[in-house]
Amino acid sequence: EIVLTQSPGTLSLSPGERATLSCRASQSVSSSYLAWYQQKPGQAPRLLIYGASSRATGIPDRFSGSGSGTDFTLTISRLEPEDFAVYYCQQYGSSHTFGQGTKLEIK
Amino acid sequence: QVQLQESGPGLVKPSQTLSLTCTVSGGSISSGGYYWSWIRQHPGKGLEWIGYIYYSGSTYYNPSLKSRVTISVDTSKNQFSLKLSSVTAADTAVYYCARGAMVRAFYFDYWGQGTLVTVSS
Repeated sequence: EIVLTQSPGTLSLSPGERATLSCRASQSVSSSYLAWYQQKPGQAPRLLIYGASSRATGIPDRFSGSGSGTDFTLTISRLEPEDFAVYYCQQYGSSHTFGQGTKLEIK
Repeated sequence: QVQLQESGPGLVKPSQTLSLTCTVSGGSISSGGYYWSWIRQHPGKGLEWIGYIYYSGSTYYNPSLKSRVTISVDTSKNQFSLKLSSVTAADTAVYYCARGAMVRAFYFDYWGQGTLVTVSS
């Protein structure tokens, strides 16, 4: 099973700042099969990025994804108040696994 | 716009079978191309993929849960269902149904709101 490790566990930033979230895989993941989700309290996760770098429908262009192999990154260029949430990466290899999440909180 | 809605008991006794149904609207399960999925989230924790089913009935399960999981589909009702047997308190979680899309990538693009299932006597 491929284990995804997200860092940092918690990221404290202010609106307008840039956020960089990391997702590291225990073995190589096809870029096609790496996705990112946003989850707010009491809500279901929302798809942000698929195929490592493609934005899902309706996702603002301040969200971007990059990476390959075992290292992937979600970047939010300028944080808006509604961006403070928990973010998960997810991979599909022989099975599906999610990272443990990064909580993005207001500083 | 595809919508998914989970339904089922919110309380299940230990050793019994958890049963949930997901009703899909705004799209047909029979149209193919998607993997109808169950994902759970333990309280305050991360996400765990349980398994999914294709409209043809082919199923794929998380190896860690495979011995206890059955996912089925009823295309006439546009529903798919989850059964998890021999539950314990460790199965207490919010259960989500979701649509898995595999088009040059794999991702879960539509999710239900989730339903909390508590395992307790």
